[in-house]
Amino acid sequence: QVQLVQSGPEVKKPGASVKVACKTSGYTFTSHGFSWVRQAPGQGLEWMGWISGYNGHTVSPQKFQGRVTLTSETSTATAYLELRSLRSDDTATYYCARDNGQWLVDPWGQGTLVTVTS
Amino acid sequence: SYELTQPPSVSVSPGQTARITCSGDALPKEFSYWYQQKPGQAPILVMYKDSERPSGIPERFSGSSSGTTATLTITGVQAEDEADYYCQSAGTTTTYKVFGGGTKLTVL
Repeated sequence: QVQLVQSGPEVKKPGASVKVACKTSGYTFTSHGFSWVRQAPGQGLEWMGWISGYNGHTVSPQKFQGRVTLTSETSTATAYLELRSLRSDDTATYYCARDNGQWLVDPWGQGTLVTVTS
Repeated sequence: SYELTQPPSVSVSPGQTARITCSGDALPKEFSYWYQQKPGQAPILVMYKDSERPSGIPERFSGSSSGTTATLTITGVQAEDEADYYCQSAGTTTTYKVFGGGTKLTVL
């Protein structure tokens, strides 16, 4: 069955960077892109960007441009999100999900809690 | 614009019908998608392309869209339907995603 397993929780200081991994299995990695979505505590879902599973092309909203890097590694079927210059309001659970170009396909990753605190 | 607006909360009694709306100027030309999220869990898709129900989603879930408003309807609400519901649509291109702010469905 399809699985997306994310890396474990992180605690970072303001100004640092974090890299979250999303290891996939159970399907052909290049058949889907990936979206990253975050959710601050008690808040809604926020889309952070998309990466093609085929050629690594990325798009992201202007809000995150310059701070977010999305990458993928076909050999290990893993997608990565790197967020730099962390601030306290980046504290959130970060989710990866397969993206078929229109909607986010079940199942999502289990989420990775990133806490930014001094 | 590419914003989606949802009511913060909807409350219904078991067996009643819950309607959750999602408003956005792009909805006349873009599909809507709906996700259900229960506490401590990742979201799951409950409706796609306005009114298509994924396999495994109960028939009591239905969707529609008219003009600038998409609606997720749950007919005969059950206690297990209590969750947060998020609509999603496309932004400047279909690759861009936009989420509504979410609606907390409370089953009284």
